[in-house]
Amino acid sequence: DTGVSQDPRHKITKRGQNVTFRCDPISEHNRLYWYRQTLGQGPEFLTYFQNEAQLEKSRLLSDRFSAERPKGSFSTLEIQRTEQGDSAMYLCASSNTGELFFGEGSRLTVL
Amino acid sequence: QKEVEQNSGPLSVPEGAIASLNCTYSDRGSQSFFWYRQYSGKSPELIMSIYSNGDKEDGRFTAQLNKASQYVSLLIRDSQPSDSATYLCAGGGGNQGGKLIFGQGTELSVKP
Repeated sequence: DTGVSQDPRHKITKRGQNVTFRCDPISEHNRLYWYRQTLGQGPEFLTYFQNEAQLEKSRLLSDRFSAERPKGSFSTLEIQRTEQGDSAMYLCASSNTGELFFGEGSRLTVL
Repeated sequence: QKEVEQNSGPLSVPEGAIASLNCTYSDRGSQSFFWYRQYSGKSPELIMSIYSNGDKEDGRFTAQLNKASQYVSLLIRDSQPSDSATYLCAGGGGNQGGKLIFGQGTELSVKP
């Protein structure tokens, strides 16, 4: 399968813990995006990379969130000191042409 | 004002009917528009992209773009129960740079 892969698919954590999600994009895609989605809402942009460069980060994004794409291939999204409001589906997408192709998402539940 | 707006629905149509989904956007510089389908508990799946004014058809789906009115629509002909899902409209380019901005989605229910 050469689609976008995300890991883990589900994560349950206690408030205050750190969590990290990994995304492997479609191999020939140079752009990688992170979005967050809560129930009944559309995906909310978090950040995106072109190759290894982080080109944009949402102004709404807390400094507890950090993303990396060190070699321009896979990416990680880390959330430090999680809060209950961080509970959501974290979606990764990749692109070459403007059309985004999403992975299956990583669902985070913060207790 | 949200950058991309959709009626949240739910929109209910009988099987075989035409479903019409609408979207408006606020950034006049937006250049690319997309429709995604999202089944409950799944991730969004791209079904249509449109970049120029007018209609674009793909099978039972037709996307329509009117840049003067800042309006995008998706028509689904011969609706099937399997089309029941949330449809997300997204816009990119212009002030959005390289990212897509999504609407909140319209829930479509096709009744047998």
